[in-house]
Amino acid sequence: KNEVEQSPQNLTAQEGEFITINCSYSVGISALHWLQQHPGGGIVSLFMLSSGKKKHGRLIATINIQEKHSSLHITASHPRDSAVYICAVKADKLIFGTGTRLQVFP
Amino acid sequence: NAGVTQTPKFRILKIGQSMTLQCTQDMNHNYMYWYRQDPGMGLKLIYYSVGAGITDKGEVPNGYNVSRSTTEDFPLRLELAAPSQTSVYFCASSLGQGAGNTIYFGEGSWLTVV
Repeated sequence: KNEVEQSPQNLTAQEGEFITINCSYSVGISALHWLQQHPGGGIVSLFMLSSGKKKHGRLIATINIQEKHSSLHITASHPRDSAVYICAVKADKLIFGTGTRLQVFP
Repeated sequence: NAGVTQTPKFRILKIGQSMTLQCTQDMNHNYMYWYRQDPGMGLKLIYYSVGAGITDKGEVPNGYNVSRSTTEDFPLRLELAAPSQTSVYFCASSLGQGAGNTIYFGEGSWLTVV
């Protein structure tokens, strides 16, 4: 079993829909990162959180340390949100999930 | 502000050839990393460095070498390329390694070994 599991693996949505991507982990962590990888390949850090909730524009990330679970929400999704979203946890090293591929259609 | 720059973007190698992936960052970060990303897998750490002159192995170091002669540069060398090294390679950097440190990635290098 992977130490970091993301669900779903693939997600399609219509423009405007509310999106949720989940990340569960099985190790003790000091922080959790949400990353975005665009079709061109570059990876950008969206959030880093160790407790509670963070919001940036239409993106919201939450983490529940007790349940070892984090969610990334996208409100009013747009085709430009189409990307792979990667969860990574900071244990003794960074451990990456395999990513969730999101496609948003107009 | 360039951030993390890696070159080349794409490269095709023949089995047994050698090459160096270049990585440079202009943020004065202490920590630098090389990851590889294979289809359906999470990023795996190849090598990392905590400062100039100091490097250490990650999870999948076999077939690779690194050096860190300056704070800015962290090249990754592939000796005797093998098809198993076909992958996308990412260089990354961070100021520190603690929980509060954002990690910055390069644009990736697509390497095919034939």
